[in-house]
Amino acid sequence: AQKVTQAQTEISVVEKEDVTLDCVYETRDTTYYLFWYKQPPSGELVFLIRRNSFDEQNEISGRYSWNFQKSTSSFNFTITASQVVDSAVYFCALSEAYTGRRALTFGSGTRLQVQP
Amino acid sequence: DTGVSQDPRHKITKRGQNVTFRCDPISEHNRLYWYRQTLGQGPEFLTYFQNEAQLEKSRLLSDRFSAERPKGSFSTLEIQRTEQGDSAMYLCASSFGGEDENIQYFGAGTRLSVL
Repeated sequence: AQKVTQAQTEISVVEKEDVTLDCVYETRDTTYYLFWYKQPPSGELVFLIRRNSFDEQNEISGRYSWNFQKSTSSFNFTITASQVVDSAVYFCALSEAYTGRRALTFGSGTRLQVQP
Repeated sequence: DTGVSQDPRHKITKRGQNVTFRCDPISEHNRLYWYRQTLGQGPEFLTYFQNEAQLEKSRLLSDRFSAERPKGSFSTLEIQRTEQGDSAMYLCASSFGGEDENIQYFGAGTRLSVL
């Protein structure tokens, strides 16, 4: 069975601070995908990144960066110089790869509030 | 706008009534998914279609729930004899294959309130 844990329920920061959202996962699969989604107050989940289990390179996209560590089963997400528009609930998710199963297993989310 | 479209956005119903939701995926996507999200939780997978074939169903999809995708385009999710526990946001997503394997794009959801 797959499981995703986001231990931080809510984080509040002041604009321009850096913030890291933690994600720890459990799976018996040898190949899998990891994802991050953003859910702003409007409610629509927005895809941010997909990472394949055999690609442990960290990724940077603008102010966003992701640190994938297979040894600790973690896929953490850092926002540098946070902005008010980053306020949202962020979900980490996991799925099998290269099988017929497509279901995403989500964590319970971390609510990020960025204060001006 | 060519994103995933869901209708209605909100539905209020009385316990025991049947409800049906519609999802229109991104036009070139052949895979379609339904999830349910309750307050303060992450989405939970319900079912998945590839074209018109329903390939995966969660244990959450009780006998009162049925999903269809008759022509491999739009999909409907019906809940019969609704219960208060069915109150949730129902999310639809779609994806394509190839390099974008399993990147699911979500609609804005249908919020169901069962009174």
